[in-house]
Amino acid sequence: DIQMTQSPSSLSASVGDRVTITCRASERISTYLNWYQQKPGKAPKILIYAASTLHSGGPSRFSGSGSGTDFTLTISSLQPEDFATYFCQQSYRTPYTFGQGTKVEIK
Amino acid sequence: QVQLQQWGAGLLKPSETLSLTCAVDGGSFSGYYWTWLRQTPGKGLEWIGEITHSGSATYNPSLRSRVTISVDTSKNQFSLKVTAVTAADTAVYSCVRGVREGYYYYMDVWGNGTTVTVSS
Repeated sequence: DIQMTQSPSSLSASVGDRVTITCRASERISTYLNWYQQKPGKAPKILIYAASTLHSGGPSRFSGSGSGTDFTLTISSLQPEDFATYFCQQSYRTPYTFGQGTKVEIK
Repeated sequence: QVQLQQWGAGLLKPSETLSLTCAVDGGSFSGYYWTWLRQTPGKGLEWIGEITHSGSATYNPSLRSRVTISVDTSKNQFSLKVTAVTAADTAVYSCVRGVREGYYYYMDVWGNGTTVTVSS
């Protein structure tokens, strides 16, 4: 299986901050990388697919980049509704696998 | 707006069979990958497997020997069975719609999740 490793596992930030989350794959996956946002008690929500394509309806403050093994999710200006846990997921090969999540908390 | 409504038993004893069903309401059943995932605080999100409307299924090798995903196109439903459950199968199970856009794949609609606890 392809292992996905996110860092950090959690971070504290303030409204308006620029936030960057990193995801590393255990082998090269081109740009077959998705990012999801999950709020407590809710199902995950797709934010970005194909490493950098913003899903329809997603706020433009979210962006993704990377290719191969290293990827980043950036929130350009953190908003109150962005406090949540973020997961990366590879769609290069089944079994699809997820990172362990990054919890973004209020500072 | 597509919605996934799932149901099934939430409390099982070891060695029993987990059985969940998911109904697809408000959208097309064909052209998507109907998926089951589970989530635990310790292991995170785990992909269990998927099935197409034509019944072609793909499973996670780690669970393949115990898992069956089936589809009922007459009802726009798909189901999950996991045999011989243990405490390690305790998790929140979710049905999910998988979408393929060209070469890329992602999951865009999720059910509400069913908490399944395995305990004697």
